[in-house]
Amino acid sequence: EVLLLESGGGLVQPGGSLRLSCAASGFTFTTYAMSWVRQAPGKGLEWVSGITGSGYTTYYADSVKGRFTISRDNSNNTLYLQMNSLRAEDTALYYCAKTQGEAHFDSWGQGTLVTVSS
Amino acid sequence: DIQMTQSPSSLSASVGDRVTITCRASQGISHYLAWYQQKPGKAPKSLIYAASSLQSGVPAKFSGSGSGTDFTLTISNLQTEDFATYYCQQYNSYPLTFGQGTRLEIK
Repeated sequence: EVLLLESGGGLVQPGGSLRLSCAASGFTFTTYAMSWVRQAPGKGLEWVSGITGSGYTTYYADSVKGRFTISRDNSNNTLYLQMNSLRAEDTALYYCAKTQGEAHFDSWGQGTLVTVSS
Repeated sequence: DIQMTQSPSSLSASVGDRVTITCRASQGISHYLAWYQQKPGKAPKSLIYAASSLQSGVPAKFSGSGSGTDFTLTISNLQTEDFATYYCQQYNSYPLTFGQGTRLEIK
């Protein structure tokens, strides 16, 4: 069974930083691309970032480019999202998603909540 | 960026009904379209990928069709557990984008 467990969310002031983690199990982690998708309170889904299985190639939404960095540790089956220069509009539930093929999501974690507020 | 537009934004239906949700892409995306179901307080669940391929474990009451710019998700014989919000997502090119969602409510 695929399990994705996000952690690292919390309350942070504007301009601050957080690092999210996603511990993966139940599949061969290095074989799959992974992504972060967020959902602001009461809003729809927004793709944030993706990374290939090897970690060599990364992708970002324009809204986070230059502020967020996605990475992975394939020896520990863990995905990360380093978030810097956080803004109020980054407030959301952040999901980790196992990414299939050309980039659709076949498994999701339960999410970790990030709140950016003074 | 490719914009994804779903219609309707909300839909009321009764148990046993068949409903169709439409998703339109701002440019052609071939068959690179997925559908997700999300219930309140829960993570999204994958239903369909490649426009019409059913994700493993998803019942055949869900079906998808389309290619290019116009796509549909059809749900037959609605049951109470099907009332949720549905999202389409294109993966033809980055940035990946979702539709705004269609909320399916019980009439």
